[in-house]
Amino acid sequence: SQQGEEDPQALSIQEGENATMNCSYKTSINNLQWYRQNSGRGLVHLILIRSNEREKHSGRLRVTLDTSKKSSSLLITASRAADTASYFCATVNTGFQKLVFGTGTRLLVSP
Amino acid sequence: GAVVSQHPSWVICKSGTSVKIECRSLDFQATTMFWYRQFPKQSLMLMATSNEGSKATYEQGVEKDKFLINHASLTLSTLTVTSAHPEDSSFYICSARSGGVNEKLFFGSGTQLSVL
Repeated sequence: SQQGEEDPQALSIQEGENATMNCSYKTSINNLQWYRQNSGRGLVHLILIRSNEREKHSGRLRVTLDTSKKSSSLLITASRAADTASYFCATVNTGFQKLVFGTGTRLLVSP
Repeated sequence: GAVVSQHPSWVICKSGTSVKIECRSLDFQATTMFWYRQFPKQSLMLMATSNEGSKATYEQGVEKDKFLINHASLTLSTLTVTSAHPEDSSFYICSARSGGVNEKLFFGSGTQLSVL
């Protein structure tokens, strides 16, 4: 099962630009997490934001959460070619323990 | 950070055979492990959730007799694809969590299964 959708599906930018990815979900959540996946590899956890939080920062990453709109955004500032990857949001729904992923955004950062 | 080891990284097998994939948490006790399946350029689809010492909880549409999951210890979970067919070819990824729902997951590097 999939919880929600991300947009854009694909994003192509130049190094130094900011990248913004959006995630929408359907049910009430305990928390929302963002992961990164390089091609054909496992996933790396980027950041977790709890349902009672509105914004979190980690290095060049900024995540917002709007539970009233059931949406989240991931901002990568001053992007680098090494940021090229697929980015997924995932939610832990209230009352459950499983982590359900969104559809993902493929980010390409050109030098 | 915590490490989850998944083996094998890739496997090619004949149709009708069974394949076992192992997922180990190397430096923490994984109370909960999750198995996901991913087709090319698609998202991760949760197959099942397993808690140590109890039966796995399968997602709707996932055949529990085809995808056998065992979580016999706090550091090891296995997924066995029984009587594999070409449509089972996919990328399988395990993940593990040491605590409650507000803890992050650590992922294995995945297993690419190709069934001929």
